[in-house]
Amino acid sequence: NAGVMQNPRHLVRRRGQEARLRCSPMKGHSHVYWYRQLPEEGLKFMVYLQKENIIDESGMPKERFSAEFPKEGPSILRIQQVVRGDSAAYFCASSSSGTSGGEQFFGPGTRLTVL
Amino acid sequence: DQQVKQNSPSLSVQEGRISILNCDYTNSMFDYFLWYKKYPAEGPTFLISISSIKDKNEDGRFTVFLNKSAKHLSLHIVPSQPGDSAVYFCAARGNRDDKIIFGKGTRLHILP
Repeated sequence: NAGVMQNPRHLVRRRGQEARLRCSPMKGHSHVYWYRQLPEEGLKFMVYLQKENIIDESGMPKERFSAEFPKEGPSILRIQQVVRGDSAAYFCASSSSGTSGGEQFFGPGTRLTVL
Repeated sequence: DQQVKQNSPSLSVQEGRISILNCDYTNSMFDYFLWYKKYPAEGPTFLISISSIKDKNEDGRFTVFLNKSAKHLSLHIVPSQPGDSAVYFCAARGNRDDKIIFGKGTRLHILP
């Protein structure tokens, strides 16, 4: 399967714990985007990364959230000290190019539930 | 501030008839518009797109129309099939922009 992979598909955390969401882009894609979908809402952009660089993090909450896309391995979205309001579906997308209009292909998402 | 608006949360259409999903936007800097289809427990799947320099793009049963003066676009599906039942997201991006701005989605039910 050459699509965008995300794991875990479901993640349950208690308030105050850390959540780590992983995204492996499609083969040949070096651009990764993270989106969050709250219940009954559309997807909201969080952050755009290329290998080892954060290009646009204008949608990231200022505290507790961080993202990385290392030279080797998947992109990681990390949420520290989770709260109930962090419960959502987190989608990763990848593309072969960024601002030139490269199509973004989405993974199946990680559903985070904070108890 | 909802830059991409889908005012119909849901739509029911008889199988074989035309489904029309509507979308409005407020940002005149958007120059590329997309429609995504989403099934439960899956990620959005790209369906069709249109550049702001065009007013129509067709791909099989799917046609997207763009009215720039009205800041309105619509997705036509004809004939509608049972497998079209899903949530459809209208989305937009600006030139030289990386992020996609999504609407809240319209849930389409195709009735037998």
